[in-house]
Amino acid sequence: QQQVKQSPQSLIVQKGGISIINCAYENTAFDYFPWYQQFPGKGPALLIAIRPDVSEKKEGRFTISFNKSAKQFSLHIMDSQPGDSATYFCAASIVNSGSARQLTFGSGTQLTVLP
Amino acid sequence: ETGVTQSPTHLIKTRGQQVTLRCSSQSGHNTVSWYQQALGQGPQFIFQYYREEENGRGNFPPRFSGLQFPNYSSELNVNALELDDSALYLCASSPGPGNTIYFGEGSWLTVV
Repeated sequence: QQQVKQSPQSLIVQKGGISIINCAYENTAFDYFPWYQQFPGKGPALLIAIRPDVSEKKEGRFTISFNKSAKQFSLHIMDSQPGDSATYFCAASIVNSGSARQLTFGSGTQLTVLP
Repeated sequence: ETGVTQSPTHLIKTRGQQVTLRCSSQSGHNTVSWYQQALGQGPQFIFQYYREEENGRGNFPPRFSGLQFPNYSSELNVNALELDDSALYLCASSPGPGNTIYFGEGSWLTVV
């Protein structure tokens, strides 16, 4: 119920191409879906996030598409750049009984953008 | 940079020992969460502290414990270290217990 499944595990894209990472969840109580970007040796950095009452959110080159009925969401990186090479994590969040916001992360996608 | 600072950045401990990791939250943030990230995996929620009390806990044994201080900084303590405790320990702060969290750079723990 708490699992978030992420695919693909790794992705290689040419510079200027579109990178697409997909996630699926089971628990319909999740109410917030962030994406994090992590560079080697660094902590995860919040990239973009969406709530389930919205089907799409765009910030610059990054877009989240959300399909509530299918319990799936995806990250699209337009015009991918070598500097985007990093590991991307989707997450699903719930506020538990103690009012703590708890994130459940996917397993990560290692993105490599070739110059 | 998120303004969340953690120390130490790296440390090596022996199995069975105890370790304390420290975190200073971003200015204006009163809530701290701790996550464990094993190599090649996504972070896993350990617990969250708000108003100096634990208000949520993931699937971690009691030998993982924490504290939050009046200035909102926090400590993560792990007793009886096991080899599988080797991981990146991430602290995250937020302006409230239900709000978006922002991660620090983490503390790398190696247990030998």
